[in-house]
Amino acid sequence: GDSVTQMEGPVTLSEEAFLTINCTYTATGYPSLFWYVQYPGEGLQLLLKATKADDKGSNKGFEATYRKETTSFHLEKGSVQVSDSAVYFCAQERGRRALTFGSGTRLQVQP
Amino acid sequence: NAGVTQTPKFRILKIGQSMTLQCTQDMNHNYMYWYRQDPGMGLKLIYYSVGAGITDKGEVPNGYNVSRSTTEDFPLRLELAAPSQTSVYFCASGNRQTEAFFGQGTRLTVV
Repeated sequence: GDSVTQMEGPVTLSEEAFLTINCTYTATGYPSLFWYVQYPGEGLQLLLKATKADDKGSNKGFEATYRKETTSFHLEKGSVQVSDSAVYFCAQERGRRALTFGSGTRLQVQP
Repeated sequence: NAGVTQTPKFRILKIGQSMTLQCTQDMNHNYMYWYRQDPGMGLKLIYYSVGAGITDKGEVPNGYNVSRSTTEDFPLRLELAAPSQTSVYFCASGNRQTEAFFGQGTRLTVV
């Protein structure tokens, strides 16, 4: 079946460091891809999305490019802040807006 | 703007007890979902609904039931609680034009 694999955490970075969180997916066709963020004690919030190959989603300095040839959707940010500390989930759509999620990557940013 | 509202936020159940997790949305979304999030894992789809009167099983439906009598409400029923159902439960809603919006979650412990 369809699945999403993302790098295990936690990822610990210093403020202003470069961030990459890897995500790969397995699916037939061209599913929409998403990154969701979960801050402590809260629900999930959509961070960015891409709906077709070569699309780049971006929001709040985060970016991810839909790579069909490598079935990847890696999340990047050029300069992280303490406020970016959260758990990040990669997800693909399985139809009717239902999602298959990766296991999540916890990011800890130290001042 | 309430969005997706879940009640209760926390609950402790004894093995064999039953309960209903409530979810309501005020965005007139056709699609609604229930996910569970186990520690260190991504979210797994339990049930979903594409409109009032229509429900379908997701990845992990065993031990749960749902109903969708109105567009706004999508309650999740646990009939005989088991320790394996200890988890955080998230309700979400969406439609063909928008991504899924998530509630704040219900933390359930079965002892």
